Amino acid sequence: GAGVSQTPSNKVTEKGKYVELRCDPISGHTALYWYRQSLGQGPEFLIYFQGTGAADDSGLPNDRFFAVRPEGSVSTLKIQRTERGDSAVYLCASSLVIGLLAGLLTNEQFFGPGTRLTVL
Amino acid sequence: GESVGLHLPTLSVQEGDNSIINCAYSNSASDYFIWYKQESGKGPQFIIDIRSNMDKRQGQRVTVLLNKTVKHLSLQIAATQPGDSAVYFCAENALNRDDKIIFGKGTRLHILP
Repeated sequence: GAGVSQTPSNKVTEKGKYVELRCDPISGHTALYWYRQSLGQGPEFLIYFQGTGAADDSGLPNDRFFAVRPEGSVSTLKIQRTERGDSAVYLCASSLVIGLLAGLLTNEQFFGPGTRLTVL
Repeated sequence: GESVGLHLPTLSVQEGDNSIINCAYSNSASDYFIWYKQESGKGPQFIIDIRSNMDKRQGQRVTVLLNKTVKHLSLQIAATQPGDSAVYFCAENALNRDDKIIFGKGTRLHILP
């Protein structure tokens, strides 16, 4: 049906607070990715999931950031003790398969509209 | 270190002309390249991709050229239209990074009436 959806679309919080950002991938997509995009920059990889497990979390900036995907569909990005530097647009993407290692021709990632996080 | 960058941050093109957006990459192991279009307030949208065993690929009004010798990638948009106004990102992936895609900084395309 619909594309990747993310909620909320905007989140304003105070420094030190905890936030959760939600991503609903395209139904049937096994791979899910989180990116962070600062103003004027390209998206920066944070973490990706193959099914329920985090296949690569090397992009998470520190241990305040954590993401889960307990049932292999919806994912939540969690940020503890938010800092002003965490302000950015957080993008989620999903793809049908992780294809490159399997020799498939393409690995098109479908992006959601993002959640704009502002930490005051 | 590894980087994917763009030569120009902003490009202004007359409506109806062809646009060429350039990108340089530094990782010789890069195997797969993608161009994304991002409109204001939206997530990136896939335009076209190319594998390293190809040097050209065409889509609808778009062509991607890959020159592995000089590690250069370009996106050509034919007969540019107002709806093409957006930021364009090149992105790359290498097999040694699984499916992690690394994005460049982006080029803003302005369409002049």
